[in-house]
Amino acid sequence: DAGVIQSPRHEVTEMGQEVTLRCKPISGHDYLFWYRQTMMRGLELLIYFNNNVPIDDSGMPEDRFSAKMPNASFSTLKIQPSEPRDSAVYFCASSFGAGGYYGYTFGSGTRLTVV
Amino acid sequence: AQSVTQLGSHVSVSEGALVLLRCNYSSSVPPYLFWYVQYPNQGLQLLLKYTSAATLVKGINGFEAEFKKSETSFHLTKPSAHMSDAAEYFCAVSYAGNNRKLIWGLGTSLAVNP
Repeated sequence: DAGVIQSPRHEVTEMGQEVTLRCKPISGHDYLFWYRQTMMRGLELLIYFNNNVPIDDSGMPEDRFSAKMPNASFSTLKIQPSEPRDSAVYFCASSFGAGGYYGYTFGSGTRLTVV
Repeated sequence: AQSVTQLGSHVSVSEGALVLLRCNYSSSVPPYLFWYVQYPNQGLQLLLKYTSAATLVKGINGFEAEFKKSETSFHLTKPSAHMSDAAEYFCAVSYAGNNRKLIWGLGTSLAVNP
């Protein structure tokens, strides 16, 4: 398996623009997590899905953020409109079960810079 | 509430020296415990895990950790540090009452000096 695949690896955009981050989880994994990592706040769980259904989106910072999982092999995280404070590395992770036994497999992340 | 505390946000060791990264957890029920490593510009990678079997767990790259229930600790060790061990290390815990979702420590940055 190629692991969790995220695209793009780097994204630079202007404030106010829409940004879409993409994730392909490992085949067979039933949980998908979106995390944000910054120096100031560390790793933050934004939202997670179980069998394509959003379970907990309490970590989504604002209505500007939305996430979808239309099928078991694809998920998106969208920011509209983007702001400079959204600059961070966004990670997608997937797991079999909630990760409590097998742990998570992370993608390589998308480094987002909003100028 | 369940939590994870990593003592020391930055640890520096000499090449060949013992690596000791500390992790304490708070859980009223039996936990599962994990250590992850993040190399620069990469995602997190599972180093090792404790899931109620042997209390001494061996992982990749020569790392190991020991679950000590009486001390609520799960410290990560490696007998001899290598330059390639320089990275960010994260401890995480899960427990049945939280749907086995991982709760993360803030991370410890390990520097290895030549």
